[in-house]
Amino acid sequence: AQKITQTQPGMFVQEKEAVTLDCTYDTSDPSYGLFWYKQPSSGEMIFLIYQGSYDQQNATEGRYSLNFQKARKSANLVISASQLGDSAMYFCAMREGWNTGNQFYFGTGTSLTVIP
Amino acid sequence: DVKVTQSSRYLVKRTGEKVFLECVQDMDHENMFWYRQDPGLGLRLIYFSYDVKMKEKGDIPEGYSVSREKKERFSLILESASTNQTSMYLCASSPDPGTTRDNEQFFGPGTRLTVL
Repeated sequence: AQKITQTQPGMFVQEKEAVTLDCTYDTSDPSYGLFWYKQPSSGEMIFLIYQGSYDQQNATEGRYSLNFQKARKSANLVISASQLGDSAMYFCAMREGWNTGNQFYFGTGTSLTVIP
Repeated sequence: DVKVTQSSRYLVKRTGEKVFLECVQDMDHENMFWYRQDPGLGLRLIYFSYDVKMKEKGDIPEGYSVSREKKERFSLILESASTNQTSMYLCASSPDPGTTRDNEQFFGPGTRLTVL
């Protein structure tokens, strides 16, 4: 089974509107971390936001927020007030456990296009 | 700032050649990773290392080997390059989970390898 599922290959959003990128995960480990990365056309991977499995509140970082629904195993990224520079690929990732040697799992990504 | 560097941004090799991809990080991170990224498949883990001379297979290790003789350097080796290894290769590093909770991965700029 896929550890991370991103069901939206491509999304479009009007500039200044909000957009939600979906991510569901699969783990039986009670300790895990969820991450979102942005990859512009230049290819670099940019860390956006993190949510720990024991965090009570949803993570926020500027215009980014993570809608964490633990029972549904979803960790959707919300981008508010979209800007043209937000056009990029977005990857959801998970790290299971807090032991040395735990690997990260990535989704297949969502391509976001912001329309002026 | 954490810096992860990769030896080449673009590389063209011939089938059967031995190929070395080098990755260096300057933040004394314990963990280092090699991924390949292909359209529609996201990031797939090839190998990772959580200590010097230690290595673990990821999801797609076939056709690849790795070397970690020093903590800051993690090399990916294609013993006999094939056309199906044409891809974007991303190196990443992260601190040990015991040192920081939100231990995201820091990525290099990527190497786009073409095998003819």
